[in-house]
Amino acid sequence: DSGVTQTPKHLITATGQRVTLRCSPRSGDLSVYWYQQSLDQGLQFLIQYYNGEERAKGNILERFSAQQFPDLHSELNLSSLELGDSALYFCASSVQGSSGNTIYFGEGSWLTVV
Amino acid sequence: AQSVTQLDSHVSVSEGTPVLLRCNYSSSYSPSLFWYVQHPNKGLQLLLKYTSAATLVKGINGFEAEFKKSETSFHLTKPSAHMSDAAEYFCVVIERNSNYQLIWGAGTKLIIKP
Repeated sequence: DSGVTQTPKHLITATGQRVTLRCSPRSGDLSVYWYQQSLDQGLQFLIQYYNGEERAKGNILERFSAQQFPDLHSELNLSSLELGDSALYFCASSVQGSSGNTIYFGEGSWLTVV
Repeated sequence: AQSVTQLDSHVSVSEGTPVLLRCNYSSSYSPSLFWYVQHPNKGLQLLLKYTSAATLVKGINGFEAEFKKSETSFHLTKPSAHMSDAAEYFCVVIERNSNYQLIWGAGTKLIIKP
């Protein structure tokens, strides 16, 4: 158990809909990362937050947004969903955002868009 | 620019034989290097990390990796494969002067033959 909690574990929704994925980082971790893993794209970095502020942005679509709340949990919002958004979405956390910090991953949220 | 190359997309070994998963990186500055493992339908788990201390790093489950700056390599090894090692392995680099983004290799699927 990494200490990073993601909900829901599985989600099936229709095209055009909007979903919210939730992540609780490990206790004491200030930095949260979101990743998307799909069969054809592999593991893609989406976005990172540090103590409530956006720190780095990767290949995140404009239809997607995220935020980190004062209690440090984070949400990833996916809207106008398309079939290609079906993937495993990982949240990860680390103490800080610095290069030597170990990053711990949650078990992921499986999103299926039908 | 930073990049990570995992030289084999699949590696197949017999149970009880040595494992070698290869990773080469390019980095302008001193990198931090990680190996993560992902078992089927599971989240990512840290195996080991290198952050400029000892060049030979020991991780969990009997894995170890050696940082070789002259060869820009960080290959993962294990003396004797076990069936439970069957998983996908990712080599990850963070460059010290980067915006803390992780650069991921494409992954290597390790197959263990009985």
